[in-house]
Amino acid sequence: SQTIHQWPATLVQPVGSPLSLECTVEGTSNPNLYWYRQAAGRGLQLLFYSVGIGQISSEVPQNLSASRPQDRQFILSSKKLLLSDSGFYLCAWSVGTGGSPLHFGNGTRLTVT
Amino acid sequence: GENVEQHPSTLSVQEGDSAVIKCTYSDSASNYFPWYKQELGKRPQLIIDIRSNVGEKKDQRIAVTLNKTAKHFSLHITETQPEDSAVYFCAARRGGADGLTFGKGTHLIIQP
Repeated sequence: SQTIHQWPATLVQPVGSPLSLECTVEGTSNPNLYWYRQAAGRGLQLLFYSVGIGQISSEVPQNLSASRPQDRQFILSSKKLLLSDSGFYLCAWSVGTGGSPLHFGNGTRLTVT
Repeated sequence: GENVEQHPSTLSVQEGDSAVIKCTYSDSASNYFPWYKQELGKRPQLIIDIRSNVGEKKDQRIAVTLNKTAKHFSLHITETQPEDSAVYFCAARRGGADGLTFGKGTHLIIQP
């Protein structure tokens, strides 16, 4: 069966520091991968998605970036964090196109101080 | 792009009663409509989904209806129980590998 791993679970970082969040998927090949952000008490905002190695689509321009160095690995990065980057970051995967659900990882709760 | 509106933002019902959450979407090309349940501090989990070639789908106490003409879909929970308390999100998706566009969520509170 497929599983998704996301780490760390919790992170506290000072303003201006770099960020690296990692997500890996097991049990499936060539998954579509996604990064979402959820601000406290708010909805889910799509940040990036990828349909293959090295292919990244950005939905919201900001100081975050994403990379997919391997088929089942998706990384979210920032060179300098802002206070507004605080939130709950969720990685997700799906397969195929169209009518297939997204499956979420357990998320990383990021607090920028 | 797609825009999904969800109502109400908060819904309080007595245990055993039914709950209905409604969503509208803007992109007529959307063809997949899932519903997620998120408990406090946890990840969203898929509870039911419907595709555009189906008007209604039911899974035990949960049902979803879709009206493509009106671009409207709804979640129905019958015989609500305390463990149904959570935030529920509707979402819509076009074909391809595009991500889901989510509504802002409904906080469902089941009163004992």
